[in-house]
Amino acid sequence: NAGVTQTPKFQVLKTGQSMTLQCAQDMNHNSMYWYRQDPGMGLRLIYYSASEGTTDKGEVPNGYNVSRLNKREFSLRLESAAPSQTSVYFCASSEAGGAYGYTFGSGTRLTVV
Amino acid sequence: RKEVEQDPGPFNVPEGATVAFNCTYSNSASQSFFWYRQDCRKEPKLLMSVYSSGNEDGRFTAQLNRASQYISLLIRDSKLSDSATYLCVVNPNDYKLSFGAGTTVTVRA
Repeated sequence: NAGVTQTPKFQVLKTGQSMTLQCAQDMNHNSMYWYRQDPGMGLRLIYYSASEGTTDKGEVPNGYNVSRLNKREFSLRLESAAPSQTSVYFCASSEAGGAYGYTFGSGTRLTVV
Repeated sequence: RKEVEQDPGPFNVPEGATVAFNCTYSNSASQSFFWYRQDCRKEPKLLMSVYSSGNEDGRFTAQLNRASQYISLLIRDSKLSDSATYLCVVNPNDYKLSFGAGTTVTVRA
């Protein structure tokens, strides 16, 4: 039972490069989320998908795009990476919105130089 | 005002001690409450849900005070392995959970 799987685990990008972070869950959850975590800032929501076919902006969406490819997969794209996007990115999923909490993936550590 | 506020600590306690800390939340309509544990450079993991009547899970006790809008976590008989950051998490009755910035606990031998 894999839960939530994120790839890659580590990535170094040059400013201006693009990349896509992948996330897949095998728990048949309806909702999926992308967060970033910076020292002293806590978890900040980038985008979320309440159900397959829908996506919505969170607290810090600028510079990111998302795709809910199907019920299992929710990807995060950085079109033109900036040093301010250096962070740890976590994907999460939940069965029914936030009512029962989230299950998180192990994270992607992204450095933009 | 942040939706969820926590004392960042750190709480530095000896093994076997009891440590307790709170968080406050701003949305009185919040329905679900949780404590998550996060180890250094790892993903947050659900420690326990918090119910209105209060609940225990082994050495951990969580309490909810809706009138004052705060949640507490108490750890008894602290172990070295309890060293972590504890995140207070609130569901303000929509699809998105609100996370506190975390309280750091360090248990020393």
